[in-house]
Amino acid sequence: RKEVEQDPGPFNVPEGATVAFNCTYSNSASQSFFWYRQDCRKEPKLLMSVYSSGNEDGRFTAQLNRASQYISLLIRDSKLSDSATYLCVVNMYVPSGGSYIPTFGRGTSLIVHP
Amino acid sequence: GAVVSQHPSWVICKSGTSVKIECRSLDFQATTMFWYRQFPKQSLMLMATSNEGSKATYEQGVEKDKFLINHASLTLSTLTVTSAHPEDSSFYICSAPPNRADSNQPQHFGDGTRLSIL
Repeated sequence: RKEVEQDPGPFNVPEGATVAFNCTYSNSASQSFFWYRQDCRKEPKLLMSVYSSGNEDGRFTAQLNRASQYISLLIRDSKLSDSATYLCVVNMYVPSGGSYIPTFGRGTSLIVHP
Repeated sequence: GAVVSQHPSWVICKSGTSVKIECRSLDFQATTMFWYRQFPKQSLMLMATSNEGSKATYEQGVEKDKFLINHASLTLSTLTVTSAHPEDSSFYICSAPPNRADSNQPQHFGDGTRLSIL
């Protein structure tokens, strides 16, 4: 089983739609959680961190459920420019090294059409 | 904000050539940098953790003699793909946490290097 799992999609939605992505992680020692956006042939860019209490940034809402070990991303009022791959990233603590290793999900592809 | 510069952005070369990719932290010091590889339509796969002043830590299945990592200073890590072959063609990308004292931060990524081996 992969450490971080995402539905690869694609999610094909019309402009203005609301869409939600989930991501599950297997390591309960996971410490920090992030959503990144990756456009085709580009590097990932941080979209938002995910906090235990849930957080919102404009049209984007992220939530964390530690008990069930999943995080979610909700996008409201989808724009054409939201079309991209959304990567779930989990920082896992490695005791041997005393540091955190970021682990990526395979990404969920979103296509917003007119 | 923290910036990571990666160079070159695109490499095309013949089979058997060794290719060096540089990753620099421009306005912060990075004791740790991460190197990833991404094949088309797949996730970023962590190849190795680059540690300043010590040996890199390689993920299972990654050949350390094939992918040489050097992290000689607090601002520079290099990945050398030795004797590259077509199956090494991929998108290579580095990242670093912006806070030297706390690696539990979102990563800052280089722009990536697209490697094509003919």
